[in-house]
Amino acid sequence: AQSVAQPEDQVNVAEGNPLTVKCTYSVSGNPYLFWYVQYPNRGLQFLLKYITGDNLVKGSYGFEAEFNKSQTSFHLKKPSALVSDSALYFCAVRDGPTSGGGYNKLIFGAGTRLAVHP
Amino acid sequence: DAGVTQSPTHLIKTRGQQVTLRCSPKSGHDTVSWYQQALGQGPQFIFQYYEEEERQRGNFPDRFSGHQFPNYSSELNVNALLLGDSALYLCASSLAGMGLYNEQFFGPGTRLTVL
Repeated sequence: AQSVAQPEDQVNVAEGNPLTVKCTYSVSGNPYLFWYVQYPNRGLQFLLKYITGDNLVKGSYGFEAEFNKSQTSFHLKKPSALVSDSALYFCAVRDGPTSGGGYNKLIFGAGTRLAVHP
Repeated sequence: DAGVTQSPTHLIKTRGQQVTLRCSPKSGHDTVSWYQQALGQGPQFIFQYYEEEERQRGNFPDRFSGHQFPNYSSELNVNALLLGDSALYLCASSLAGMGLYNEQFFGPGTRLTVL
């Protein structure tokens, strides 16, 4: 069964410093991985995805993620954190058939709360 | 371009009652998925609708049912509410024709409280 794990409940970082939010995955077959962010009282906003190709994926708001097959990881990164980046971050993996029609559901981790301090 | 919209924003019900939540997908999208997000947890997949049919279901009891209309909007119905049904219910839409790996776009959610 597909799954993702986010080992940290909370990450604290000072504004201007680089940030990393960790995610590891367990899948059968090729992994299709996503990062979403959730601000208070808001739905989830898509940040980026890895399907195939370059291991470094660039996304919205200056975020990027590094796919590492040998470590089964997909860590979210940003070179310089902003206070406005403070939010709840979710890693997710796609579950579904790999060809033809069919469903396309996301399996989410428990989330990591990012706190960026001025 | 309107994103995914959900109604109502908040809802308070008592145990045993029934509730209907509504979702309008992002313009041009034809697939709707529903997720339940309990407090402090990640979203859990309930089911997905495409072409007015339920295509896949997560580990939720039959008290949870849904419907998709010809205009692609969708409803989530929950019968015989339990306290444990209290959660944020998220609707997500996507376009099947974009392939199996396209991202899903989420609405702001409906906060359901069961007393």
